[in-house]
Amino acid sequence: SQQGEEDPQALSIQEGENATMNCSYKTSINNLQWYRQNSGRGLVHLILIRSNEREKHSGRLRVTLDTSKKSSSLLITASRAADTASYFCATGKETSGSRLTFGEGTQLTVNP
Amino acid sequence: DAGITQSPRHKVTETGTPVTLRCHQTENHRYMYWYRQDPGHGLRLIHYSYGVKDTDKGEVSDGYSVSRSKTEDFLLTLESATSSQTSVYFCAISESDRGNEQYFGPGTRLTVT
Repeated sequence: SQQGEEDPQALSIQEGENATMNCSYKTSINNLQWYRQNSGRGLVHLILIRSNEREKHSGRLRVTLDTSKKSSSLLITASRAADTASYFCATGKETSGSRLTFGEGTQLTVNP
Repeated sequence: DAGITQSPRHKVTETGTPVTLRCHQTENHRYMYWYRQDPGHGLRLIHYSYGVKDTDKGEVSDGYSVSRSKTEDFLLTLESATSSQTSVYFCAISESDRGNEQYFGPGTRLTVT
């Protein structure tokens, strides 16, 4: 079974609006990562947050991590049509070395 | 795609035939992974490698084998392809085993008829 579960499964917004995606996981982790996948392409790493961090920023991306609730959120501010993609969270565990467990993803559509 | 290539990019094969997918990297990263991506399942790890000749099973390894004879190449073999192995296969690499990001190849779309 998947470690991470994204919510919502699909999100449609207008350009300029903010997009928020959530990820919940089941077991303890040492890091959580977010990836983007454009249609027909491989995944691209966006941001990594470690279990001892609560918030991280990268450009228009803001990621939060709440280990007590076993959840993370990805906020994309001032969205653009080019942000249209699927977004996946992936969790890494101390006992798993370099392996990641991916969720099923959120399909984000940004309408111009 | 961070110096990762996959071949072939598309393949159609018949049930029962052997298939080998190749992943080639120019980054000299130690760790390599094979995933499959299916609707409703996200990405699932098939096998991974933590060095030359060092491999281990992932979540969905049945029906698949791998080999890594040199740092830059990681081969995924379906000994006898089945229709349930129709999927998009992604290779990924990472530099270390401590919470580093993974870099993905462009994917191989495999159809087993």
